[in-house]
Amino acid sequence: ETGVTQTPRHLVMGMTNKKSLKCEQHLGHNAMYWYKQSAKKPLELMFVYSLEERVENNSVPSRFSPECPNSSHLFLHLHTLQPEDSALYLCASSRARGSSETQYFGPGTRLLVL
Amino acid sequence: GQQLNQSPQSMFIQEGEDVSMNCTSSSIFNTWLWYKQEPGEGPVLLIALYKAGELTSNGRLTAQFGITRKDSFLNISASIPSDVGIYFCAGQEARAGGTSYGKLTFGQGTILTVHP
Repeated sequence: ETGVTQTPRHLVMGMTNKKSLKCEQHLGHNAMYWYKQSAKKPLELMFVYSLEERVENNSVPSRFSPECPNSSHLFLHLHTLQPEDSALYLCASSRARGSSETQYFGPGTRLLVL
Repeated sequence: GQQLNQSPQSMFIQEGEDVSMNCTSSSIFNTWLWYKQEPGEGPVLLIALYKAGELTSNGRLTAQFGITRKDSFLNISASIPSDVGIYFCAGQEARAGGTSYGKLTFGQGTILTVHP
């Protein structure tokens, strides 16, 4: 148990669907991250929220839309995805400032786009 | 951007053997992290290193932050079947002016298989 939870754990969606991924952290952190993990590729950073402000958007297509309503919750809204978007989507959290900004990961949402 | 080379890509070992893997970077990092990921799960932090030259242990795991700040290694002693998984190194940059977090760069991972 890392203190970061993600739901759903598995998701199958069609290209015309709209769905949302949810992440919640119970560690008192104030920075949250979305990563994409595809087979045989390093983790790719998608978005970063620090102190509830989006501070990084790594050239992610607009069909992915993040939302951070408070420091404990992070969402990733999905619409009109493509099959190549199938991957494991990982959420992480950390302290935003200080001597230790180590990131702790959730279990991920395995997404399959048909 | 930052590049991390992690090696080996995969290892097949017998239970009881020691394991060593490493990461090298073209640039300097302020922090090195080692994670383990099991199938269907997210990466779990094993060891965090914050100072050049630091040597840290966590049970049978030992990791070191290279003096040059461009490399790190992870050793696993007396491997057991539950050590199976993918091991990732990650380097954390110093926070650039104006940013409020330290960006992580991940290695490609080392897939470890342990035969009983």
